[in-house]
Amino acid sequence: ETGVTQSPTHLIKTRGQQVTLRCSSQSGHNTVSWYQQALGQGPQFIFQYYREEENGRGNFPPRFSGLQFPNYSSELNVNALELDDSALYLCASSSEGRDQPQHFGDGTRLSIL
Amino acid sequence: GNSVTQMEGPVTLSEEAFLTINCTYTATGYPSLFWYVQYPGEGLQLLLKATKADDKGSNKGFEATYRKETTSFHLEKGSVQVSDSAVYFCALTTNTGGFKTIFGAGTRLFVKA
Repeated sequence: ETGVTQSPTHLIKTRGQQVTLRCSSQSGHNTVSWYQQALGQGPQFIFQYYREEENGRGNFPPRFSGLQFPNYSSELNVNALELDDSALYLCASSSEGRDQPQHFGDGTRLSIL
Repeated sequence: GNSVTQMEGPVTLSEEAFLTINCTYTATGYPSLFWYVQYPGEGLQLLLKATKADDKGSNKGFEATYRKETTSFHLEKGSVQVSDSAVYFCALTTNTGGFKTIFGAGTRLFVKA
């Protein structure tokens, strides 16, 4: 069983740029969620995708957007990067439903200069 | 709104001591509750879950009971081992008003031999 994989592992950008992060979900899973985790904090929910549509969203501005593809992989796009966007971005896949556990990737460390 | 509050760490215990990590929540609707764990150098992984009131989740000697009347989901283990040293996150998932997962800030546990 292939787990959740994310790319790239590290990324450095400057303020105002745009970034795309990628995630391949675990086999058999059809939903993908994205999280932002600052150092020493818990993950903050950005959004979830199910059947290629956004299924729920946390308190993040519209410059955070996403896509889910027919093979259930996903992208997180962030426009107009700000210094506060520096964080670890986690992707998690699961089966649909609020009672399903999520399986996490190792994350992409994004640094904004 | 939805929120999760867990006890601040770090928590330092001797091997074979009893562990309790407190977790309380507020939620709209009827959430599922989870404990996730992050061992040193590893990604987040599910430890246990409970999906309805009075359910007890258990795994690896850890237990937590979904208490709706006190809105709590405290994590316990009768005898900790050095290998339990990790960061523990309490989380809730709800489908009310769209899918959301809310994590607590995490509690770091150190177990001394």
